Amino acid sequence: NAGVTQTPKFQVLKTGQSMTLQCAQDMNHNSMYWYRQDPGMGLRLIYYSASEGTTDKGEVPNGYNVSRLNKREFSLRLESAAPSQTSVYFCASRSGGILSGANVLTFGAGSRLTVL
Amino acid sequence: AQKITQTQPGMFVQEKEAVTLDCTYDTSDQSYGLFWYKQPSSGEMIFLIYQGSYDEQNATEGRYSLNFQKARKSANLVISASQLGDSAMYFCAMREGLETGFQKLVFGTGTRLLVSP
Repeated sequence: NAGVTQTPKFQVLKTGQSMTLQCAQDMNHNSMYWYRQDPGMGLRLIYYSASEGTTDKGEVPNGYNVSRLNKREFSLRLESAAPSQTSVYFCASRSGGILSGANVLTFGAGSRLTVL
Repeated sequence: AQKITQTQPGMFVQEKEAVTLDCTYDTSDQSYGLFWYKQPSSGEMIFLIYQGSYDEQNATEGRYSLNFQKARKSANLVISASQLGDSAMYFCAMREGLETGFQKLVFGTGTRLLVSP
């Protein structure tokens, strides 16, 4: 019962470095999401992918890129990290569908990123 | 404009008492869903309860119930008989876009609940 797996769990970067957060789900879900969580701000949507082959911007996409590699995997890339990107990042997935109103998001355990 | 508002940054309750965590929302959609998630200190996000906008009955899941007042656009979480393990951050969230086919979840800023013995 892996659910949603994120790697790495912790990462420290220097300003300007790049890195990719990996996310994989084994529930055959269609939709995948990346959120960031900051104190006092709740969770904010960075990017999402409604289905394999599609990605769209969320609320705070600047400074990030994503790739929906296949149905299982959705990665988040920081091309040139900035201190403002210090945050906890959550990947999530859900099965999707118009009729699936009650389908919940299943979250990964989170990735704590610090940019110095 | 804030879509989900949680006005209580922190709440305190004694063990075995009931507590209500407030959530108001703003949407022009007719069809939407409301969720509550719990985030303990370990960091994971745990789904608690769901209420659909067309559901006539308030949702209940064990000790959790959702007090849904559609006209007031509020979806308060009620935890009955609080336990020490209920100490956590609680997030209210709304899903819009059911009519358009793709649904995004928007979160509030959270309420930290502390349960004391």
